[in-house]
Amino acid sequence: RKEVEQDPGPFNVPEGATVAFNCTYSNSASQSFFWYRQDCRKEPKLLMSVYSSGNEDGRFTAQLNRASQYISLLIRDSKLSDSATYLCVVNTDSWGKLQFGAGTQVVVTP
Amino acid sequence: DGGITQSPKYLFRKEGQNVTLSCEQNLNHDAMYWYRQDPGQGLRLIYYSQIVNDFQKGDIAEGYSVSREKKESFPLTVTSAQKNPTAFYLCASSIVGSGRTYNEQFFGPGTRLTVL
Repeated sequence: RKEVEQDPGPFNVPEGATVAFNCTYSNSASQSFFWYRQDCRKEPKLLMSVYSSGNEDGRFTAQLNRASQYISLLIRDSKLSDSATYLCVVNTDSWGKLQFGAGTQVVVTP
Repeated sequence: DGGITQSPKYLFRKEGQNVTLSCEQNLNHDAMYWYRQDPGQGLRLIYYSQIVNDFQKGDIAEGYSVSREKKESFPLTVTSAQKNPTAFYLCASSIVGSGRTYNEQFFGPGTRLTVL
């Protein structure tokens, strides 16, 4: 079983709609969780950290469910510029080693 | 302008050659990392370093070597022993955290290596 699993998609979303997707992780001791965004042939860029109580950054909302070991990302009012691959990232030890999911592709259409 | 730079952006190598990929950061981060990304796969850790003159193997270190002589620099050498080196190579850096510290990693623009 992979340490971090994501639905690869693609999630095809009409502009202005809401899209949500999850990521599951296997290490129950994980403490840090992140969502990164990666555009085609570019480097990953930090979108947001995920806090225990859930957090929001503009149109993006992240949730953590420790009991079921998953994190989620919700994008409201989708823009064409939100088209990208979203990487779920989980730390696996205290110094900072991260495990990356393979990503969920989101395609926002006009 | 603080950030991470990688060079070259594209690199072509003949089989049997060693090549070195450059990574420099001016973020004053202690930790640096090298990852490899293949199409449709997540990033895989090659090597990491938490402090100057010290580094550890990641999940796929075979066929690669690194050095960390300066805090700002963490070059990666892809040796001829690496059987399938064609990939997108990403360098990252972070502050070194512990416990619950959210030690986000920040990436350079990457180097695309193709073996001819």
